[in-house]
Amino acid sequence: DIQMTQSPSSLSASVGDRVTITCQASQDISNFLNWYQQKPGKAPKLLIYDASNLETGVPSRFSGSGSGTDFTFTISSLQPEDIATYYCQQYDNLPPWTFGQGTKVEIK
Amino acid sequence: QVQLQESGPGLVKPSQTLSLTCTVSGGSISSGGNYWTWIRQHPGKGLEWIGYIDDSGSTYHNPSLQSRLTISLDTSKNQVSLNLTSVTAADTAVYYCARGLESFDIWGQGTMVTVSS
Repeated sequence: DIQMTQSPSSLSASVGDRVTITCQASQDISNFLNWYQQKPGKAPKLLIYDASNLETGVPSRFSGSGSGTDFTFTISSLQPEDIATYYCQQYDNLPPWTFGQGTKVEIK
Repeated sequence: QVQLQESGPGLVKPSQTLSLTCTVSGGSISSGGNYWTWIRQHPGKGLEWIGYIDDSGSTYHNPSLQSRLTISLDTSKNQVSLNLTSVTAADTAVYYCARGLESFDIWGQGTMVTVSS
């Protein structure tokens, strides 16, 4: 299985800060990567697909980039409603698809 | 708009079979091109892809669960089902159904299943 390593595992930032999360795949996955947001007690929500495409209705302060093995997820200006855990997920070649271990974002 | 709702027993005894249902509303599960995926989340942990079924009934399972897992469609009820046999405490998790093959754009709210005697 392809292993996905996210960093950091948690972070604390102020409202308005730029927040960056990285995700590294154990092998080349091209751009076959999604990003999800999960708020406590809720199901994950798709934010970014194909590494850099914003899902319909998702605020433009969220963005993704990268290809191959290294990917970045950015919140350009952190808002209070962005408090959540963020997961990357790969879908290269054949299942099983795998997720990163998550990054918990908190307000400082 | 399509909505998903998981249901099933919240408590299952070890060695028994876990059976969950995902009811799809706002659309047909047999509409062309749809895939229905199960994903679980162990308490306080990350997400694990379980498997999917497409609208023709073809399935793909996580090899780690292959021998214990069945995913099926009931088109008359517009439901997707998951059966996991011989459960242990390691199967305690929130189970989600979601729409999609590679990206999951619609999710149910999840159902917590505890395996305990």
